[in-house]
Amino acid sequence: QVQLQESGPGLVKPSETLSLTCTVSNGSISSYYWSWIRQPPGKGLEWIGYIYYSGSTYYNPSLKSRVTISVDTSKNQFSLKVTSVTAADTAVYYCARGGVAVAAATLFDYWGQGTLVTVSS
Amino acid sequence: ELVMTQSPATLSVSPGERATLSCRASQSIGGNLAWYQQKPGQAPRLLIYVASTRATGIPARFSGSGSGTEFTLTISSLQSEDFAVYYCQQYNIWPPGTFGQGTKVEIK
Repeated sequence: QVQLQESGPGLVKPSETLSLTCTVSNGSISSYYWSWIRQPPGKGLEWIGYIYYSGSTYYNPSLKSRVTISVDTSKNQFSLKVTSVTAADTAVYYCARGGVAVAAATLFDYWGQGTLVTVSS
Repeated sequence: ELVMTQSPATLSVSPGERATLSCRASQSIGGNLAWYQQKPGQAPRLLIYVASTRATGIPARFSGSGSGTEFTLTISSLQSEDFAVYYCQQYNIWPPGTFGQGTKVEIK
């Protein structure tokens, strides 16, 4: 079955850029929507944004000014960048697969295991 | 802005009993509602979508109902592995992907 794996630094300094990559295995990145979701320690889930395999993106308005999601279909990967991070960006970051249609773009059937990113000097 | 509100925040239930979790949307979302289960240290798992359709491999003791603004997740007979946090999520009204704050189902 499809597997997703997040990778990237676990510690980022305040004001710097958080960068994560999600590698999709046992399945193609084509034809689906792919999202990043985060969860601060002990708190709920926040959708960050999604990318379609063709490259079109949509971001949560609350984060839109600081977020970029990109895709590399040749590597079956998509990536997240969050600029100007603060302690409030400390969270477990998940990548997840959405549906094939825009109406189900944020209906997540496969998730990565998550990676904790701490923002601290 | 669309807000998803879950109740109660914590539900204490004995094994074998029924659990009923509620989710309310601040505006109509039709049937575009999903439920996820999250255990400590794990990613969420999709249980229900389109308000009442079980995802692949989900046991029949999990059922969902509702439409518009009021939704319910019922676990008919709680098993030990069902004690977890449950999130509802709407996935079609902009901005999509809005989650509720979660309901923790704990052992009574």
